[in-house]
Amino acid sequence: AQSVTQLGSHVSVSEGALVLLRCNYSSSVPPYLFWYVQYPNQGLQLLLKYTSAATLVKGINGFEAEFKKSETSFHLTKPSAHMSDAAEYFCAAANDYKLSFGAGTTVTVRA
Amino acid sequence: NAGVTQTPKFRVLKTGQSMTLLCAQDMNHEYMYWYRQDPGMGLRLIHYSVGEGTTAKGEVPDGYNVSRLKKQNFLLGLESAAPSQTSVYFCASRARGLRTDTQYFGPGTRLTVL
Repeated sequence: AQSVTQLGSHVSVSEGALVLLRCNYSSSVPPYLFWYVQYPNQGLQLLLKYTSAATLVKGINGFEAEFKKSETSFHLTKPSAHMSDAAEYFCAAANDYKLSFGAGTTVTVRA
Repeated sequence: NAGVTQTPKFRVLKTGQSMTLLCAQDMNHEYMYWYRQDPGMGLRLIHYSVGEGTTAKGEVPDGYNVSRLKKQNFLLGLESAAPSQTSVYFCASRARGLRTDTQYFGPGTRLTVL
């Protein structure tokens, strides 16, 4: 079964700086990968997903992720952080019709 | 559309009490899921259902039971609550289809067991 590992439980960035959240998956073919965001006291919302159609995936709110098979990675980036990006972010892998989630990364944005 | 809704939003139980959490979706989705979220552990699957009248165990099923009597509803029961079940519970649903189909989540239920 697919599994994912998120490196770094907390990330702090300055407003306007690059946001980089790391996700590595266990090797299996083909992996289907997702990034979800959870704002405080809310449910999870899909940011983007990798479906093998393109290695660079663009999502909502200016986020994108690049699938790199050689590195078994699916890192999430945003060029310029906004205060509203403060949230918890989860990487997940599809196993049949179920999802396996990473432990999550909390993003704090400093003014 | 309301999407996925959960009832109640908050609940405090004493050890040994029972309760039922209700999840409802109005998207005509076949698959439904119950997760628990604990700090530093992400979301863990408790039980899931691939259709009306069917349920299956997930990663952490002990101490929970579920029922899917109607396609739009998925109930999670705690027969005898324990402090270890203090958590935030999320319900999700998705359409039957590809592995890449999106799961849609409810707003969560925050449960405290004293």
